[in-house]
Amino acid sequence: RKEVEQDPGPFNVPEGATVAFNCTYSNSASQSFFWYRQDCRKEPKLLMSVYSSGNEDGRFTAQLNRASQYISLLIRDSKLSDSATYLCVVNSNTGNQFYFGTGTSLTVIP
Amino acid sequence: DGGITQSPKYLFRKEGQNVTLSCEQNLNHDAMYWYRQDPGQGLRLIYYSQIVNDFQKGDIAEGYSVSREKKESFPLTVTSAQKNPTAFYLCASSMPGRNIQYFGAGTRLSVL
Repeated sequence: RKEVEQDPGPFNVPEGATVAFNCTYSNSASQSFFWYRQDCRKEPKLLMSVYSSGNEDGRFTAQLNRASQYISLLIRDSKLSDSATYLCVVNSNTGNQFYFGTGTSLTVIP
Repeated sequence: DGGITQSPKYLFRKEGQNVTLSCEQNLNHDAMYWYRQDPGQGLRLIYYSQIVNDFQKGDIAEGYSVSREKKESFPLTVTSAQKNPTAFYLCASSMPGRNIQYFGAGTRLSVL
């Protein structure tokens, strides 16, 4: 079983729509959780960390459900510039390794 | 500016040749990582290093080698034993306790 699993999509949504991505992880002792954004042929960049209580950054909201071992990312009022691949990342319980999902592709359509 | 610098941006390897990818950081981070990304796949860990003069194999270390002689530098050598080296290689670093990784811009390696 993979450490981190994501629906690869693609998600094609109109501008202004709300879209949600989920990600599941297999190690219940995992410590830290993140969403990264990766544009085509570029490096991943940190979008936001995910905290147990949930956290929000502008139009982006991240949630963590430790009991069910999944994290989510909600994007409200989608912009064309949100088009990218979103990577779910989980830090191991030892803190030494990071595990990446394969990414979910989002295209926002005018 | 602080950051992670990878070079070259593009690299071509001839069959039987070893090539070395450079990764330098001035963030004063202790930990450094090398990943490989293939189209449509997630990042796979090749090697990582938590401190100078120490490194650990990741999930796909075969055909690769690294060194960590300085805190700032973590070069990756793709040896001739790596039969399918064409990929996007990403170097990352992180500071203990923060558990956040920062990436360089990557090196695209192709085989001639």
